Amino acid sequence: NAGVTQTPKFQVLKTGQSMTLQCAQDMNHNSMYWYRQDPGMGLRLIYYSASEGTTDKGEVPNGYNVSRLNKREFSLRLESAAPSQTSVYFCASTPTPPGLAGSTDTQYFGPGTRLTVL
Amino acid sequence: AQSVAQPEDQVNVAEGNPLTVKCTYSVSGNPYLFWYVQYPNRGLQFLLKYITGDNLVKGSYGFEAEFNKSQTSFHLKKPSALVSDSALYFCAVREADSWGKFQFGAGTQVVVTP
Repeated sequence: NAGVTQTPKFQVLKTGQSMTLQCAQDMNHNSMYWYRQDPGMGLRLIYYSASEGTTDKGEVPNGYNVSRLNKREFSLRLESAAPSQTSVYFCASTPTPPGLAGSTDTQYFGPGTRLTVL
Repeated sequence: AQSVAQPEDQVNVAEGNPLTVKCTYSVSGNPYLFWYVQYPNRGLQFLLKYITGDNLVKGSYGFEAEFNKSQTSFHLKKPSALVSDSALYFCAVREADSWGKFQFGAGTQVVVTP
């Protein structure tokens, strides 16, 4: 299994450009997440998807949109990139949906996308 | 609201000495607590978690953590550090009833010197 994969690995954008970050997992996990990592701030949740067909806002959703395309794929879109969105973006997944007994939310992370907005 | 604090930006320890990385949390209800490790240019890897039960949790690579409800702490420990333990460590929490909404600490850089 490849686990959680993310593309691209690196990206440089100009202010105002748009792009989509792709994430896919091959572990048949139900839930997926997008985080951004900034120095000294840890990981902050942007959006998450509890299951196929549902998405919810996290701590810092402004400026982003997401699509849960199918069970495997969860994409993050920046419609008009800003320098404040320069960050490292991580996708993660968890195997069990909410509410089930034994759901423990151990997250499996992708390798990250390093995004610079000029 | 939930929050996590890792009071030390960096911890320096000599190889073979005990390693402790501190974490305190604040949640309204029961906490689910996690430790993750990040090596350079890599994603986070799960180390261990506390959900319920024994306060001492054992995880990967010889790490363990102790849940202390009265002090709202979940410190990560290793009896004898290795140079290969040098990495960035994150504590995370979510409330038992707030599915999906994890709160991560800012991270603690661990440097183990030979």
